[in-house]
Amino acid sequence: EAGVAQSPRYKIIEKRQSVAFWCNPISGHATLYWYQQILGQGPKLLIQFQNNGVVDDSQLPKDRFSAERLKGVDSTLKIQPAKLEDSAVYLCASSSRGALSINEQFFGPGTRLTVL
Amino acid sequence: DAKTTQPTSMDCAEGRAANLPCNHSTISGNEYVYWYRQIHSQGPQYIIHGLKNNETNEMASLIITEDRKSSTLILPHATLRDTAVYYCIVMEYGNKLVFGAGTILRVKS
Repeated sequence: EAGVAQSPRYKIIEKRQSVAFWCNPISGHATLYWYQQILGQGPKLLIQFQNNGVVDDSQLPKDRFSAERLKGVDSTLKIQPAKLEDSAVYLCASSSRGALSINEQFFGPGTRLTVL
Repeated sequence: DAKTTQPTSMDCAEGRAANLPCNHSTISGNEYVYWYRQIHSQGPQYIIHGLKNNETNEMASLIITEDRKSSTLILPHATLRDTAVYYCIVMEYGNKLVFGAGTILRVKS
């Protein structure tokens, strides 16, 4: 089966600019996650969707970050305006079971963002 | 914060078993131990998980101590492609993965 797709793979912007990332999860996966991974650290969960509803966005900096999952399939993550500390890899993951069950997450290759 | 403690890095000879330890002394009764790994420039990949009993799959074995305060991931015959960061994660309620810094495993020929 096809894996989690993300685009773009790389993005370079200047601070205060806006940027958007796209994720297409594995077909049929109801749960979708966005993670931020700063160099040298493990991924940190930003937001979790169950179908098109938000389950957990407690770690999302809502003053500049937003995410949506219209129709419960694809998702976009936006940063507006970007700061230097937003330089990181943004990972999308999906899983096939409900948000309250224990299950395997499948990760995409990530988008590497550099903010200058 | 991550609820596990892992060594920063480990080396292993190609073809030998790699044993990666993890301490999770505050694990609660309904929490599972999950292992993921992340090869350079890729997203994390699920390896294995367990609750109380030892588990084995095509990738690895997971040994959990009787008191569940620690575990060991075993790659029986490490290859160069197993060089990666290995994350030991105690799954919190609601399916929220909390990654620590992990262990950098370097497999050497």
